[in-house]
Amino acid sequence: ETGVTQSPTHLIKTRGQQVTLRCSSQSGHNTVSWYQQALGQGPQFIFQYYREEENGRGNFPPRFSGLQFPNYSSELNVNALELDDSALYLCASSHEGSETEAFFGQGTRLTVV
Amino acid sequence: AQKVTQAQTEISVVEKEDVTLDCVYETRDTTYYLFWYKQPPSGELVFLIRRNSFDEQNEISGRYSWNFQKSTSSFNFTITASQVVDSAVYFCALSDPYSGGGADGLTFGKGTHLIIQP
Repeated sequence: ETGVTQSPTHLIKTRGQQVTLRCSSQSGHNTVSWYQQALGQGPQFIFQYYREEENGRGNFPPRFSGLQFPNYSSELNVNALELDDSALYLCASSHEGSETEAFFGQGTRLTVV
Repeated sequence: AQKVTQAQTEISVVEKEDVTLDCVYETRDTTYYLFWYKQPPSGELVFLIRRNSFDEQNEISGRYSWNFQKSTSSFNFTITASQVVDSAVYFCALSDPYSGGGADGLTFGKGTHLIIQP
């Protein structure tokens, strides 16, 4: 079991609504990355946060945004939800500049109806 | 653009058989990292191995072994004497050159669902 905790574990939202997903990083890790995993697919990189700033972004629209807090925990916000946003959202924490591995949380299963 | 191909969607073997999961990658970068992750039904991705592009030495860890061949852009994963607990979805992933081996910017394959039957 990793030290990365995500909440909530499951969530159902209506199309057009907004959602906030949370991630608590592994102790000592200062970097968090978020991924979207659609059913039957591999995870896709959304963005990474380091020192409270976005430090890299995948091919996702601006309605996907994030925050990283001084304690290195993080939020993923998605506005104007679409049906295709239904997926497992995974966060991973790691330590920038270190050769240590990244640890993933168990994910939040988001269903948009 | 980077790409990872795991051509085997699903593999089913009987316990104690050896099984190899294939991974072929495409990148124009000379510096990159390759990963394998295991995803059990609970959902989290469990790190198995990271290999940098300059280290082609094969690695063995217990029943697991990895064969990295830059000439064929492949990074295959073999489980020897498979066990029911090995049943999971396995993902191969490729980093971009700026990630430093971390979890940002990984390009994942679609995964191979491995079923080990008792």
